[in-house]
Amino acid sequence: GAGVSQSPRYKVAKRGQDVALRCDPISGHVSLFWYQQALGQGPEFLTYFQNEAQLDKSGLPSDRFFAERPEGSVSTLKIQRTQQEDSAVYLCASSLGPALRGNGYTFGSGTRLTVV
Amino acid sequence: QQQVKQSPQSLIVQKGGISIINCAYENTAFDYFPWYQQFPGKGPALLIAIRPDVSEKKEGRFTISFNKSAKQFSLHIMDSQPGDSATYFCAASKAGNTPLVFGKGTRLSVIA
Repeated sequence: GAGVSQSPRYKVAKRGQDVALRCDPISGHVSLFWYQQALGQGPEFLTYFQNEAQLDKSGLPSDRFFAERPEGSVSTLKIQRTQQEDSAVYLCASSLGPALRGNGYTFGSGTRLTVV
Repeated sequence: QQQVKQSPQSLIVQKGGISIINCAYENTAFDYFPWYQQFPGKGPALLIAIRPDVSEKKEGRFTISFNKSAKQFSLHIMDSQPGDSATYFCAASKAGNTPLVFGKGTRLSVIA
């Protein structure tokens, strides 16, 4: 596609509910990243895929967060037993090359998750 | 520990004026410094980026100034326009497969 597509755009979840957020990267982009952006803050790194391999998941805040990219294209970020502190915009970005140097990310518009 | 410190948090500039946003970093392993622009409801978009082997990079009305010894870099927006009103983020990354680290952002308002 022309850009990074994320769905849903908005998600309201009751506390304790599981949610799944989808990211369709730009076709052919090797690298895919998930970031969490709290209100009024900068994006914070969650996890990184190169093709289907999850190379870095150091930013995932707890074991309730899980991400996958089984075929090296679409990725899903899953949050189990959501808590109020999970409320944020979840941004997905993709990049053409395997290395991050010099490759600007292309971000999607994000999924705004509100946990009530 | 915040790896990239950005200031100011918010900025109001008259149309036609110069907007200046500053960032400082501690990790000398950082070697790529981009600036992103974000409009409400949208993801950040790459604006301009610099590497530490140059002290300045200019693209249109946007200029990055880089001071390696001070570990600081700044974004200058010349002839600021109302359409420039957005949130701006500085970021940094190290060589290899490492993610971008972002500052907390500066909300710029350009008023006529």
